[in-house]
Amino acid sequence: NAGVMQNPRHLVRRRGQEARLRCSPMKGHSHVYWYRQLPEEGLKFMVYLQKENIIDESGMPKERFSAEFPKEGPSILRIQQVVRGDSAAYFCASSPRDFDIQYFGAGTRLSVL
Amino acid sequence: GENVEQHPSTLSVQEGDSAVIKCTYSDSASNYFPWYKQELGKGPQLIIDIRSNVGEKKDQRIAVTLNKTAKHFSLHITETQPEDSAVYFCAATANTGGFKTIFGAGTRLFVKA
Repeated sequence: NAGVMQNPRHLVRRRGQEARLRCSPMKGHSHVYWYRQLPEEGLKFMVYLQKENIIDESGMPKERFSAEFPKEGPSILRIQQVVRGDSAAYFCASSPRDFDIQYFGAGTRLSVL
Repeated sequence: GENVEQHPSTLSVQEGDSAVIKCTYSDSASNYFPWYKQELGKGPQLIIDIRSNVGEKKDQRIAVTLNKTAKHFSLHITETQPEDSAVYFCAATANTGGFKTIFGAGTRLFVKA
């Protein structure tokens, strides 16, 4: 049973470009969470999604950031018009049901030049 | 807003000694408390968790205690080994409709051989 898969592992973008981060949850998991981690810091919650629904996006910046988890395919975290401050590691986690153990992927490290 | 404080930020122990990491949380609605271990360049891995109806849980060399009255929970690692060296994160989750998980800032554990 494959774990949570995130790609790409590393992503380099220039200021103003768009970044798309993908997350395929563990088989059988329908709940996905996105977190951001700055160097030497903990994980900051961004958004919690179930299939085709955003449950909690209270940690998402109001502009430029969006997330989706379509009926088919991976969850996508999209950052438009990236700025240097967006450089961070972005982690995705999945769980089989509400309020259950979250399993993390290896993360996508975004660098904005 | 909700907050989880974690101490110490850095902990150095001799191989074979015990290590204790402490966390306090602010949201009284929190009732699920996982602990994660993160190695360099990898995603967080769950090592143990505890729910609010339990005061203590043990799994081999790892144990967690919870004091809901004081809003305090701790991770105990006995007979530490060099491979225990990593960053450890505590977290608190409240099932209040948002299912948001708040992480502590992390403890960097060094186990000296």
